[in-house]
Order: sequence, then C-alpha cells, then structure tokens
Amino acid sequence: AQTVTQSQPEMSVQEAETVTLSCTYDTSESDYYLFWYKQPPSRQMILVIRQEAYKQQNATENRFSVNFQKAAKSFSLKISDSQLGDAAMYFCAYRSGLDTDKLIFGTGTRLQVFP
Amino acid sequence: EAQVTQNPRYLITVTGKKLTVTCSQNMNHEYMSWYRQDPGLGLRQIYYSMNVEVTDKGDVPEGYKVSRKEKRNFPLILESPSPNQTSLYFCASSFVGTSTDTQYFGPGTRLTVL
Repeated sequence: AQTVTQSQPEMSVQEAETVTLSCTYDTSESDYYLFWYKQPPSRQMILVIRQEAYKQQNATENRFSVNFQKAAKSFSLKISDSQLGDAAMYFCAYRSGLDTDKLIFGTGTRLQVFP
Repeated sequence: EAQVTQNPRYLITVTGKKLTVTCSQNMNHEYMSWYRQDPGLGLRQIYYSMNVEVTDKGDVPEGYKVSRKEKRNFPLILESPSPNQTSLYFCASSFVGTSTDTQYFGPGTRLTVL
C-alpha cells in the first residue's frame, strides 16, 4: 500500500523569506501523481501544485515550486517570498496512475509566517 | 460556478441519532468520495463512488453508509453516530482517471457527536 509521510508537524518562516516543506512517499507504482494542498483557517482544501511522476521537470506555480526526486521518493514544496497569507496547514498527497482518483494524504505541516 | 457543496457545515448531535450529510457537485463528475480529517492523521477516505449506483469502501468505512442514486449527489449517512466519528468531513469529486484534472473539494462539515 502507498504511504505519504510529512515529518515536520510545524514550520515557521519570516515574511519574504523562503521555506521548504518535506514530503516522502512509498509506492511500487511507476505511474502516479503528487499534490500539495493548502488548508487555511477557513478549512477549504486548495490545490497548490501538482506533479506527474513521468515528468522530470519540477512543477512551479508562481512562488511555489517542488523538488521532485523520484528515485528518493521525495516531493518537497518550496515557498519563496513568503507572505502572511501563506500561513496554513499544508498536505502532501499521492494519487495512483491507475484508474482511481483516491488521494492518500500525509499528516500535514502547519506553516506559520511571522512579519 | 463549478463547485462542490456540503450541508450542513456544522452539526452537533448526540450518540445514536441518525444523520445525513449531503454532498452535491455541478460539474458532471463521475467520481465522488468522502474523507474525514483528524488531527495528526491527515485526510482518510471513507467511501467512494465511480458512478451512479457504484460505491465502494475506502480506508475507514466502519460506521458509515453512502448512496449514489444520482450523478450529482453523494450523501454520507451515519446510522448510529458515536463520539469517535467527531471529525471534519470533506466531500470531493472529479472526472475518473483524468490525469490533468484533480479533485474538487467541498467546504467541509464539522461534526461533533456528544
């Protein structure tokens, strides 16, 4: 069975600085997708970024980028120029490339942003 | 506007009193699922449905029921709620097996069982 591990329960960063959130996963599949979701205090699940395993190029979305290391099964999220609005819980998630849309989530990392 | 709606958003109930949390999507998605979120555990899938009249268990199905009589609706039923079902519940939907798409989540339902 696939698992997703987020080893940092909490992280903090100064406004305008850069922070990296860690995520590792375990799978025997070669075709899969990885996601980072943001959950602000409103509790809404917001997709931040996604990565297809077959793509070697790391995904980027404005200030958010990932470091995808397929061999190491690592999928970290880098937030550049951190803003107060980035404060939230962040979840890493895995989805099999088979015909299923089930997401397997990590336990989350709470990010605090200090002015 | 494409969206997934859930009702109610907040619910406090007592042990054993049957309840239903509704979920509806307006995107004609085949796939719908329910997750529960608990501190330190992340989100875990309860049940899912690949299409109308097709449902199956997720990772934590005990104490829950679902039905999928219409494509847009996927209610979660707690026949006899217990305090360990106190949690934050999310409904999600997507097109099946579309790599370029992702799941759309509802706003969540905070359930407290006393």
